Amino acid sequence: AQKITQTQPGMFVQEKEAVTLDCTYDTSDPSYGLFWYKQPSSGEMIFLIYQGSYDQQNATEGRYSLNFQKARKSANLVISASQLGDSAMYFCAMREGRNYGGSQGNLIFGKGTKLSVKP
Amino acid sequence: DGGITQSPKYLFRKEGQNVTLSCEQNLNHDAMYWYRQDPGQGLRLIYYSQIVNDFQKGDIAEGYSVSREKKESFPLTVTSAQKNPTAFYLCASSMALAKNIQYFGAGTRLSVL
Repeated sequence: AQKITQTQPGMFVQEKEAVTLDCTYDTSDPSYGLFWYKQPSSGEMIFLIYQGSYDQQNATEGRYSLNFQKARKSANLVISASQLGDSAMYFCAMREGRNYGGSQGNLIFGKGTKLSVKP
Repeated sequence: DGGITQSPKYLFRKEGQNVTLSCEQNLNHDAMYWYRQDPGQGLRLIYYSQIVNDFQKGDIAEGYSVSREKKESFPLTVTSAQKNPTAFYLCASSMALAKNIQYFGAGTRLSVL
C-alpha cells in the first residue's frame, strides 16, 4: 500500500484565490513528521512546511498552512492568495519514527500535484 | 551563502560507462541523501549517510555506489550495472535531528547517449 497518496495529478487556481492540495498518509507509527515541498520547473525541491504528529496546532508558514487531521490521516496544504510564481509541482512526504538515525529518518514521497495558477 | 551544490547540471553517459555525480554542502549537516526522480513520479531513495565513513542502501541502490569520506561531500557513481540510468538525480542534506528537514540541491539530469 502506498504510504503517501496525492490524488490530484493537476490543479488549476485563479490568481489571488486560495487552493488546497490533498495528501493522505498511512502509518502505524505514533511518531512521524509530514512535509510539503515545492518543485518549480527548474527542478530544485524547496521545503515549505513541516507538521509533527504530536504538534497540537496546525503548522503555518506565511501563505502556507497545513490542515492536519490526524484521525483521518490527512495533511492537506493550503496556499492562500495564490501567485503566478506558485505554479509548480508540490510533493507531500512523511518521515516515520523518531529521527535518531538510520532508515527511520528517511522521507517517503507522494507522486505530486501539479499546480497551475491562472492570471 | 550556505547551501547544497550539485554538479554537473546535465550529464551524458555512454553505454558501459561509469559516471559520478557530485554533491557538496556547506551547511554543516550530518546526514546526506541521494534520490532519483523519474518523469511524473515522486522521489525514490538511492543511498543515505548519517555520518562520515558510513552509508546505507535505500530502496533502489542496485547499480549505484557512494562514498562519504568528508562531511561536506557525498558523490554518487552510476555504474554500468544500472541499465536504466536516465533520470533526474537530487542530493539532500539534513541535521539528522528532530524534524529532519531535508534541504535539496538543484539536481543533475542524466541521459544515456
